[in-house]
Amino acid sequence: SQQGEEDPQALSIQEGENATMNCSYKTSINNLQWYRQNSGRGLVHLILIRSNEREKHSGRLRVTLDTSKKSSSLLITASRAADTASYFCATGPLSYNQGGKLIFGQGTELSVKP
Amino acid sequence: DAGITQSPRHKVTETGTPVTLRCHQTENHRYMYWYRQDPGHGLRLIHYSYGVKDTDKGEVSDGYSVSRSKTEDFLLTLESATSSQTSVYFCATKGGQPSYEQYFGPGTRLTVT
Repeated sequence: SQQGEEDPQALSIQEGENATMNCSYKTSINNLQWYRQNSGRGLVHLILIRSNEREKHSGRLRVTLDTSKKSSSLLITASRAADTASYFCATGPLSYNQGGKLIFGQGTELSVKP
Repeated sequence: DAGITQSPRHKVTETGTPVTLRCHQTENHRYMYWYRQDPGHGLRLIHYSYGVKDTDKGEVSDGYSVSRSKTEDFLLTLESATSSQTSVYFCATKGGQPSYEQYFGPGTRLTVT
């Protein structure tokens, strides 16, 4: 069962522009995380936002969370060609006793053209 | 890839043969996970482990088994490989409470012919 749905599925922008990706989920969560995957590589954790937080920043990344709408967005500002990758949201369950299992969305493919 | 290795990195096997994939970590993380990644499906959890000899099923566990005899190693076995198990398999780890983020290995590309 897929928890997260990401939108858009693919995004192509020019270097220097901002990129916004959205994630919607279905059930109550403890936290929401964003990961990046470069082609042919494993996923890399970018940022985590807890359910009691509304916004979080890390460098050029800004994440927002709206638990009433069960949605999150990831904004990458001043994008670079090196940001070209797939980006996945993942939700963490309410109870830590559920083994820390994450449910991943299907991802957004971001292409940043020089 | 955060001290996580997977072996083999690529494998081609025939339908009906057993296959074992290995994940090795040097982080002493308590939790370990096996995912498969397929186009259109994102990552789906196969099995996970919350300690030595402690494992549980994930979303797509049919046809797979796991074992964890040491903290650092988590094995995924396809008992009798089928073409539907052609996929890229990722291992991930997570430390104990209160950490939530997972660390991923480089993946194993498995083709079942």
